[in-house]
Amino acid sequence: KQEVTQIPAALSVPEGENLVLNCSFTDSAIYNLQWFRQDPGKGLTSLLLIQSSQREQTSGRLNASLDKSSGRSTLYIAASQPGDSATYLCAFTTDKLIFGTGTRLQVFP
Amino acid sequence: DTEVTQTPKHLVMGMTNKKSLKCEQHMGHRAMYWYKQKAKKPPELMFVYSYEKLSINESVPSRFSPECPNSSLLNLHLHALQPEDSALYLCASSQVSMGHSYEQYFGPGTRLTVT
Repeated sequence: KQEVTQIPAALSVPEGENLVLNCSFTDSAIYNLQWFRQDPGKGLTSLLLIQSSQREQTSGRLNASLDKSSGRSTLYIAASQPGDSATYLCAFTTDKLIFGTGTRLQVFP
Repeated sequence: DTEVTQTPKHLVMGMTNKKSLKCEQHMGHRAMYWYKQKAKKPPELMFVYSYEKLSINESVPSRFSPECPNSSLLNLHLHALQPEDSALYLCASSQVSMGHSYEQYFGPGTRLTVT
């Protein structure tokens, strides 16, 4: 069974810090890897999609990398802000999305 | 337009009620999904429709009945639910090709409470 693990499970940091969120998966035969943000009680917002032929994607202060050989993806958040506080989920796709366990991020002023 | 809409936002129903959740997208996506999410857990896939046909049913109890009347609409009919079915129900859509899904776009969800 495919497993997707996110470390850390929770993170609390002062604003301005650069952050690294980790996602590990057991099967390298993935198609895409997608990072989402979820605010409490809300739906999921897609942040970045990395296709299996790519190694990274960037959007504003966010950068996501994918290393299929090691079964890892990393989401880098530069200069964190209180508005970045949310749960971050990674998910890889085959014929469906397999979600990671999530990282709950709190950025305080 | 990259929006997926869901109605209602909140729903409270008794165990003997029949209700429906609705999801709509106008991005031309031909795959649509229902997920269930409990508090502090990742979403769990329930159903996948591809080209308006049910392609995946993740062993969901029959008290949940999906319907895809056209390529833009997805319904989830609810009947005789249990309190443990209370959760956030999320709809998503994506392009689909060769059995692999592309980027999925999620709606805001329906918060369901079963009393």
